[in-house]
Amino acid sequence: EVQLVESGGGLVKPGRSLRLSCTASGFTFGDYDMNWFRQAPGKGLEWVGVIRGKAYGETTEYAASVKGRFIISRDDSKSIAYLQMNSLKTEDTAVYYCTREAVGAQLDWGQGTLVTVSS
Amino acid sequence: DIQMTQSPSSVSASVGDRVTITCRASQGISSWLAWYQQKPGKAPELLIYAASNLQTGVPSRFSGSGSGTDFTLTISSLQPEDFATYYCQQANSFPLAFGGGTKVEIK
Repeated sequence: EVQLVESGGGLVKPGRSLRLSCTASGFTFGDYDMNWFRQAPGKGLEWVGVIRGKAYGETTEYAASVKGRFIISRDDSKSIAYLQMNSLKTEDTAVYYCTREAVGAQLDWGQGTLVTVSS
Repeated sequence: DIQMTQSPSSVSASVGDRVTITCRASQGISSWLAWYQQKPGKAPELLIYAASNLQTGVPSRFSGSGSGTDFTLTISSLQPEDFATYYCQQANSFPLAFGGGTKVEIK
């Protein structure tokens, strides 16, 4: 059974940093692209970024709203994807989800972790 | 960037009704479209990928169609567990983008 478990969320002040983790199990982690999405309270879904699998050089892409502030990385030996969030803004407040992607679709989602950016 | 426009934003329907949700892309995306269902407080779940392919385990009352810019999600006979919000997502190019969502409510 595929499982994705996000952790690391919490309350943080504007301008500070936070690192989220996505621990995966039930599949060969290195074979898949891993995405991060977010959903602000009461709002729709927003793509944050992706890290491709080893076969594609573990390259990354980011949404314009987070480019230069957020960094996605992965540790295939531990089956973990990370989202390093720097220079956080109040508008980054959201539930953050990681996903496993294939054929252009998000096959599996984690339960999400809430990040609240507030002074 | 590709924009995704979903309609309607909400629909009231009864159990047994046929419900159709449309999604329009601002430019052609071939069949690079997925549909998700999200219930309150829960993560989204994949229903349809590549515009018309039913994800394993999803009931056959759900179906998807379309290509290019216009897509449709149909629920052939609405069940109580189908009351939720539905999102389309394009996967043709970055940035990935979602429609604004369609909330299916009980009439």
